[in-house]
Amino acid sequence: EAGVTQSPTHLIKTRGQQATLRCSPISGHTSVYWYQQALGLGLQFLLWYDEGEERNRGNFPPRFSGRQFPNYSSELNVNALELEDSALYLCASSPGHYRKGYTFGSGTRLTVV
Amino acid sequence: KQEVTQIPAALSVPEGENLVLNCSFTDSAIYNLQWFRQDPGKGLTSLLLIQSSQREQTSGRLNASLDKSSGRSTLYIAASQPGDSATYLCAANTGNQFYFGTGTSLTVIP
Repeated sequence: EAGVTQSPTHLIKTRGQQATLRCSPISGHTSVYWYQQALGLGLQFLLWYDEGEERNRGNFPPRFSGRQFPNYSSELNVNALELEDSALYLCASSPGHYRKGYTFGSGTRLTVV
Repeated sequence: KQEVTQIPAALSVPEGENLVLNCSFTDSAIYNLQWFRQDPGKGLTSLLLIQSSQREQTSGRLNASLDKSSGRSTLYIAASQPGDSATYLCAANTGNQFYFGTGTSLTVIP
């Protein structure tokens, strides 16, 4: 069974540009979660999608947005990139929340220069 | 808001030693608690998931306990090995999201 797949592995962007990160959940998982892990900091919750809908959002500005497609894959978009957006972005999937745990992907390392 | 704390922040032990990592959370209204391992620059690997109705879970040399009423969980690692060196994170599930602690960085010295 394939795990959670994230692409690209690494991404280098210039300040002010837009970045698009992608996540494919485990087959059968309907929920996708996005987290940001900046260097030396803990995991900060960004977004939760389930069945194509945004269910919860963390304390991030609106330039962080995303969507979930009918096949449950997800996209995270970061507009107007700032230097402090440089971080490891992790995606996790779950077959449904509450009693189910997360399975994480390997992450996308975003570097803003 | 749920706050998750992990103590100690870093731990160094000689190979073969048994050790305990601690996780505390402020809101006992959780559905479950999950322990992860993270190697430098990598994603998170799930170790154990404990439901709110459970007291403990075991997998190989790992044993995790949960005491909801006191807001505590522990991860016990038996007979530690150099390959166990990593950062260990706990996460409490409130239904809307998992709240993560900042982790314990473990180094097992050969």
